[in-house]
Amino acid sequence: QQQVKQSPQSLIVQKGGISIINCAYENTAFDYFPWYQQFPGKGPALLIAIRPDVSEKKEGRFTISFNKSAKQFSLHIMDSQPGDSATYFCAASIKGGSEKLVFGKGTKLTVNP
Amino acid sequence: GAVVSQHPSWVICKSGTSVKIECRSLDFQATTMFWYRQFPKQSLMLMATSNEGSKATYEQGVEKDKFLINHASLTLSTLTVTSAHPEDSSFYICSAPDSGRRYNEQFFGPGTRLTVL
Repeated sequence: QQQVKQSPQSLIVQKGGISIINCAYENTAFDYFPWYQQFPGKGPALLIAIRPDVSEKKEGRFTISFNKSAKQFSLHIMDSQPGDSATYFCAASIKGGSEKLVFGKGTKLTVNP
Repeated sequence: GAVVSQHPSWVICKSGTSVKIECRSLDFQATTMFWYRQFPKQSLMLMATSNEGSKATYEQGVEKDKFLINHASLTLSTLTVTSAHPEDSSFYICSAPDSGRRYNEQFFGPGTRLTVL
C-alpha cells in the first residue's frame, strides 16, 4: 500500500513533443505528490508538486494532472527539449514534504534533437 | 528553491575504514533530514530519518550500527558509514523539508559518491 507505481520506465520523445509520465498510488492517506528531476551524478531537483485539492497545476512547460478518484497523477512536459533529458521520479507522502517520500522507480526521458 | 549541500561530493576509502558524510541546509532550518542511497539506474531508497536532538529512525533492513546518523544542529546532519565494505559503495543523498514553505517541500543535496576499495 506504500508503493507508488510509475510508468513508463523509459521514454523517447522528439524535440517539441509532449512527454507524459504516469504514476499511481494506493494509500489514500497520501496528500502530497511531488515530481523530481535528476541528472546523472546529481541529486534530485524538485520540479513541481500538487496536493489533492486541485486537479491540475502548471508551471511553465510542466503540468501535473491529478485524478483523486483513480488515485493517479501524471507529469506532462510540453515542447520537450534535449535539455529535459533526465530521469524523472514521482513521489508521495503524508503531511506534505515534512514526512518521508515514497518514490516511484523513475522514468528515463530522452529528447532527441 | 532552498539549498542543501553535502560534503564531500565523492570519497574513496579502503575496506574497513569509516567515512563521514555531512548534509547541511544552507538557507533554512531543518528539524528533520532524510538519508537515501541510490544504486545505478535505480530509484532512491530511504535509509533513515534524522531528527534534531533525538535518535534517528531507521528503515527496515538498514543496520543502525553500521550507518550512524547524528543530527547535531538545525542545519547539519551527518551519516557515518562504519567499517565500510565494497558493497557499501553507492550514491548517498540527503534531503530536508523546508517548513517555511507552503507544502514543507523537500529539497535534496547534490549527493556523495562513495567508493570502497
